[in-house]
Amino acid sequence: AQSVTQLDSHVSVSEGTPVLLRCNYSSSYSPSLFWYVQHPNKGLQLLLKYTSAATLVKGINGFEAEFKKSETSFHLTKPSAHMSDAAEYFCVVSEPTGGGNKLTFGTGTQLKVEL
Amino acid sequence: EPEVTQTPSHQVTQMGQEVILRCVPISNHLYFYWYRQILGQKVEFLVSFYNNEISEKSEIFDDQFSVERPDGSNFTLKIRSTKLEDSAMYFCASRARLAGESYNEQFFGPGTRLTVL
Repeated sequence: AQSVTQLDSHVSVSEGTPVLLRCNYSSSYSPSLFWYVQHPNKGLQLLLKYTSAATLVKGINGFEAEFKKSETSFHLTKPSAHMSDAAEYFCVVSEPTGGGNKLTFGTGTQLKVEL
Repeated sequence: EPEVTQTPSHQVTQMGQEVILRCVPISNHLYFYWYRQILGQKVEFLVSFYNNEISEKSEIFDDQFSVERPDGSNFTLKIRSTKLEDSAMYFCASRARLAGESYNEQFFGPGTRLTVL
């Protein structure tokens, strides 16, 4: 079984400062990993994904994540936070199944961006 | 840009009543999913659907739940007799099938908030 642990339930940063949202995973397979973002009253939007290509993955809105197998981590970073980044972020691992891939979500990290 | 839509956005029902949550996946997608998120908890997989049949379901997806693709566009989740603990946000997702790419993106709808009283 696969699992994801998001180490911080809430992160607060000032606008213009770096963002770090931490994620560790457990997987029996060579994992595919994703970060999704959920803005209030909106659906889940894919930020970026790792699928065994480059270990440093760039996503939308200036976010990136680095897959580190030795640390079983997939932390999300952004050099400079913007007010519009305030949202909930989910680290997700994909498990191959017979009919497609099943996603296993972390508990989420609420990002607050202050002026 | 194509998107997954869900109706209604909010459904309130009495315990024991049947509810049907509706989803319109992206039109050329072949895999369909339901997930739920109980308030304050993580998003949980319920069921996946491909080629007009369930391909996998979680232990949450018991006999009270069913899914259907009644026509070429809709994908529904039915809860036969709702319980208080079914109150949650329900997300529909769909995925294309691209040759040579196993883990392509699932596109999520905005969710239906189900409140069981």
